[in-house]
Amino acid sequence: AQSVTQLDSHVSVSEGTPVLLRCNYSSSYSPSLFWYVQHPNKGLQLLLKYTSAATLVKGINGFEAEFKKSETSFHLTKPSAHMSDAAEYFCVVTITGTASKLTFGTGTRLQVTL
Amino acid sequence: EAGVTQFPSHSVIEKGQTVTLRCDPISGHDNLYWYRRVMGKEIKFLLHFVKESKQDESGMPNNRFLAERTGGTYSTLKVQPAELEDSGVYFCASSKIRTSEYYEQYFGPGTRLTVT
Repeated sequence: AQSVTQLDSHVSVSEGTPVLLRCNYSSSYSPSLFWYVQHPNKGLQLLLKYTSAATLVKGINGFEAEFKKSETSFHLTKPSAHMSDAAEYFCVVTITGTASKLTFGTGTRLQVTL
Repeated sequence: EAGVTQFPSHSVIEKGQTVTLRCDPISGHDNLYWYRRVMGKEIKFLLHFVKESKQDESGMPNNRFLAERTGGTYSTLKVQPAELEDSGVYFCASSKIRTSEYYEQYFGPGTRLTVT
């Protein structure tokens, strides 16, 4: 069984300040972890992925995440927020090396203010 | 390369009516998935096709939902009869059979279904 917990439903940051979106996971198998982003009226876009290679993964638009097995965490960070980062972010887990279903967290809505 | 497309983008129907959602995956993608998000909840898996075969339908909520993928290309998801709790956004995703150690799923924009 797999599950994902996103610890914050809403996060608000000022433009230019760091972003931290928290995610904890649980998996009975070797997990692959992803962050997806959904901008208003758009589809889900893959931001970055961890698939048992390097534990620090870099994604698009300056985002990165670190897989910490001891803490079962996969937090998403960005050094400096931009207005265009305002969106909903989903932490997702699946079983490595398979075409299995994705299990989503409940989502974190990121607000970026001036 | 065209992405995953879904039709319609919005649908408003009355309780008891029938609705059919369509998904066109990326060309050459044999894996096709349906997910949905009801208001205030997480996105949940419904089912997974490999070509025209149902690989996993463990997420289908009840027998009012029928998914098909004739010919292994596009897929339809029919809800009959629709109930109020079926309202939500229905997403379709597709992926290749095997590329590397993972199978990236590409998502469509979703169909927003409102049952009144």
